[in-house]
Amino acid sequence: DTAVSQTPKYLVTQMGNDKSIKCEQNLGHDTMYWYKQDSKKFLKIMFSYNNKELIINETVPNRFSPKSPDKAHLNLHINSLELGDSAVYFCASSQPNPFGYTFGSGTRLTVV
Amino acid sequence: QKEVEQNSGPLSVPEGAIASLNCTYSDRGSQSFFWYRQYSGKSPELIMSIYSNGDKEDGRFTAQLNKASQYVSLLIRDSQPSDSATYLCAVNPGGSYIPTFGRGTSLIVHP
Repeated sequence: DTAVSQTPKYLVTQMGNDKSIKCEQNLGHDTMYWYKQDSKKFLKIMFSYNNKELIINETVPNRFSPKSPDKAHLNLHINSLELGDSAVYFCASSQPNPFGYTFGSGTRLTVV
Repeated sequence: QKEVEQNSGPLSVPEGAIASLNCTYSDRGSQSFFWYRQYSGKSPELIMSIYSNGDKEDGRFTAQLNKASQYVSLLIRDSQPSDSATYLCAVNPGGSYIPTFGRGTSLIVHP
């Protein structure tokens, strides 16, 4: 059983489109996250959700919106995609600090 | 800005040697420290966590923490070609449960 699963694994789309990435965890963790990893492999936090409440939102464009229907799911919706949005997006989950993360397999987004 | 610094490498070591990966951080209030391994095209995988000064051993891996000098290191004994990956250091700044990641060190273990 996959602990943190993301779909789709690959996403190729045109500029201006709207897309969603889904994430589900079966670990019973309280907190879920979205990270963006750029071409230089730098992991940057985008969002964190704890018990369906957005706890932290870094300086991410408001074209990005997280949606959490329940504690086990955290989806990422992106409006009006731009070339610079091309990256790998990772979902992750954890128990409360100070435990480490379990990452999903990632979604490679390519905007053309 | 809380920073976590790592040498990007690549660090190349022969099979069977000890690989030493280093990480420095800027926030003196940091309390939790993690090492992740990321194979090319894969997601990061947590391999070690350390919270107090000193060494923590887990199999071939040893994490070392020195809060006074603000560095954390990862030693890999008896390195294997399968250890070839990027190793990411992550540090929880004081007062935050969201870790800051370093840019990672690429490790190559050659036969």
